[in-house]
Amino acid sequence: AQTVTQSQPEMSVQEAETVTLSCTYDTSESDYYLFWYKQPPSRQMILVIRQEAYKQQNATENRFSVNFQKAAKSFSLKISDSQLGDAAMYFCAYRSAYYGGSQGNLIFGKGTKLSVKP
Amino acid sequence: GAVVSQHPSRVICKSGTSVKIECRSLDFQATTMFWYRQFPKQSLMLMATSNEGSKATYEQGVEKDKFLINHASLTLSTLTVTSAHPEDSSFYICSAIAGLAVKNEQFFGPGTRLTVL
Repeated sequence: AQTVTQSQPEMSVQEAETVTLSCTYDTSESDYYLFWYKQPPSRQMILVIRQEAYKQQNATENRFSVNFQKAAKSFSLKISDSQLGDAAMYFCAYRSAYYGGSQGNLIFGKGTKLSVKP
Repeated sequence: GAVVSQHPSRVICKSGTSVKIECRSLDFQATTMFWYRQFPKQSLMLMATSNEGSKATYEQGVEKDKFLINHASLTLSTLTVTSAHPEDSSFYICSAIAGLAVKNEQFFGPGTRLTVL
């Protein structure tokens, strides 16, 4: 079974600075997707960034980028120029790319609570 | 982006009653919907996967007779918590996928906070 581990329960960053959130995962599959989701106090899950395992290039979305190390099974999220609105819970998630198995459900890590100091 | 709604957003009920939560995909047809449960300060745990027109697949440890899921149309899935008890109090989140599940993005509903007195 696949597992996702986030070893940082809480992180703090100064506004405008850069912060990196860690995520490791375990799987025997070779094709899969990895995600970072943001959950603000409203509890609405928001997709931040997505990485396809067969793509070597790290995904980037504006101020958000990932460092995907497939061999090490590591998938960290870097937030540049942190803003007050970035404060939230961040969940790393895994999804199999093989249809008929998990049917596409997400496996989440325990989350990292990010605080942004003004 | 695609929108998924949930109703109600909050519900308070007495122990022993049943509560129905609706999950709707507003601007796309959802072949697969997922129901998650989130306890305070914890992660999302998958409860069940439902495909339109077929029985839901429940995760290990989830009582299918207690958490009834009906995915009767391509835009609506319902979760009914039967004979609710205080330990069922939680935040319930649904998500929906259009088309081939493993290829497409999951869109999440805003969640339903259930409090059982």
